[in-house]
Amino acid sequence: DAGVIQSPRHEVTEMGQEVTLRCKPISGHNSLFWYRQTMMRGLELLIYFNNNVPIDDSGMPEDRFSAKMPNASFSTLKIQPSEPRDSAVYFCASSYHSPTGEQFFGPGTRLTVL
Amino acid sequence: QKEVEQNSGPLSVPEGAIASLNCTYSDRGSQSFFWYRQYSGKSPELIMSIYSNGDKEDGRFTAQLNKASQYVSLLIRDSQPSDSATYLCAVNGYYGGATNKLIFGTGTLLAVQP
Repeated sequence: DAGVIQSPRHEVTEMGQEVTLRCKPISGHNSLFWYRQTMMRGLELLIYFNNNVPIDDSGMPEDRFSAKMPNASFSTLKIQPSEPRDSAVYFCASSYHSPTGEQFFGPGTRLTVL
Repeated sequence: QKEVEQNSGPLSVPEGAIASLNCTYSDRGSQSFFWYRQYSGKSPELIMSIYSNGDKEDGRFTAQLNKASQYVSLLIRDSQPSDSATYLCAVNGYYGGATNKLIFGTGTLLAVQP
């Protein structure tokens, strides 16, 4: 079975540009999570969806960040405008049924904002 | 007190020894506990889940849970150099928020010396 799929794997952009990260969860999973990982702050939950509905977005750092899940097989995380401090690895994870159940991570997107 | 706390390490053990990784958590109502392994430059990989007090064994890995002490540990028997990675503890809980979600520790770096 295919795992969680993320694209792009690497993104280098300039400050002020819009960045869109994409995620396809594992088929049949109905919870989807976006995380950010940095050396300083570790792995932080940004937002999670259950049955395509955003449940908790308290981790989204500011209004420049937005996330959508238009259907069960696709989600996007958008940063507009991007800033150098947004440089990090962004992971998408999915889980079957429970937001607190086993989560399976995608390979991540390494974002560099110059 | 941190929500989920781990010693950052590095924990250095000789090949063939038992590696013991520890994690404490602050939410007494937590019900789900996970250990993830993360190699440098890769995504977290789920290796153990535990939900009840006591021990759970899977191959060379044993997870131990003590809810009264709010403590969860991971033992790796017959450690191999390929076990060298960062091990993340994840615990569910509300942690002052409105929703129940997984909170990750900052991870313990394990180095197995050949």
